[in-house]
Amino acid sequence: GIQVEQSPPDLILQEGANSTLRCNFSDSVNNLQWFHQNPWGQLINLFYIPSGTKQNGRLSATTVATERYSLLYISSSQTTDSGVYFCAVQNTGFQKLVFGTGTRLLVSP
Amino acid sequence: DVKVTQSSRYLVKRTGEKVFLECVQDMDHENMFWYRQDPGLGLRLIYFSYDVKMKEKGDIPEGYSVSREKKERFSLILESASTNQTSMYLCASSPHGTPNTEAFFGQGTRLTVV
Repeated sequence: GIQVEQSPPDLILQEGANSTLRCNFSDSVNNLQWFHQNPWGQLINLFYIPSGTKQNGRLSATTVATERYSLLYISSSQTTDSGVYFCAVQNTGFQKLVFGTGTRLLVSP
Repeated sequence: DVKVTQSSRYLVKRTGEKVFLECVQDMDHENMFWYRQDPGLGLRLIYFSYDVKMKEKGDIPEGYSVSREKKERFSLILESASTNQTSMYLCASSPHGTPNTEAFFGQGTRLTVV
């Protein structure tokens, strides 16, 4: 099945810093989502981005489907950005989301 | 606003008990999913359903069953709970669509089996 790899696995930032999280996938996809898992465990939708670029406030994401990767940019990080960021993909015609192993982000004041 | 609600945030059950985890969505979505999340293993699909009374096994269905009698509700059943089923359980829903569509998750249920 499709493999999803995220990097880096862990990231520590000072408040105000910028960061880039990467998601590589091994096969063609027709859905890609970025989630933030908060300290209570809930997965919060950040982006639904099978291709192209989207922005939402301090966060933006780019997916280059032909090269099989996606990037999540966090600018001017805040302590509330801490948590685990997951990338998840779906193959054509198959409803299951396949998750990457996540990037654990800690933003210190 | 999109809403997927799981019946409990925390549960503690005894080995051998029959456990029901309930999930309700208010978005009229056709697809519903149950995942479990474990340290080092990530999120793994247990079962999913693409319509009322329909179900499909995911990657780790052993020890679980599901029920979907109504479109908005998807129940995960642990027939005889065991300690290795201690985990975080996450429910999700998504609409039918081509290509695949955006999925939304509930708040999660942390189950401890003692």
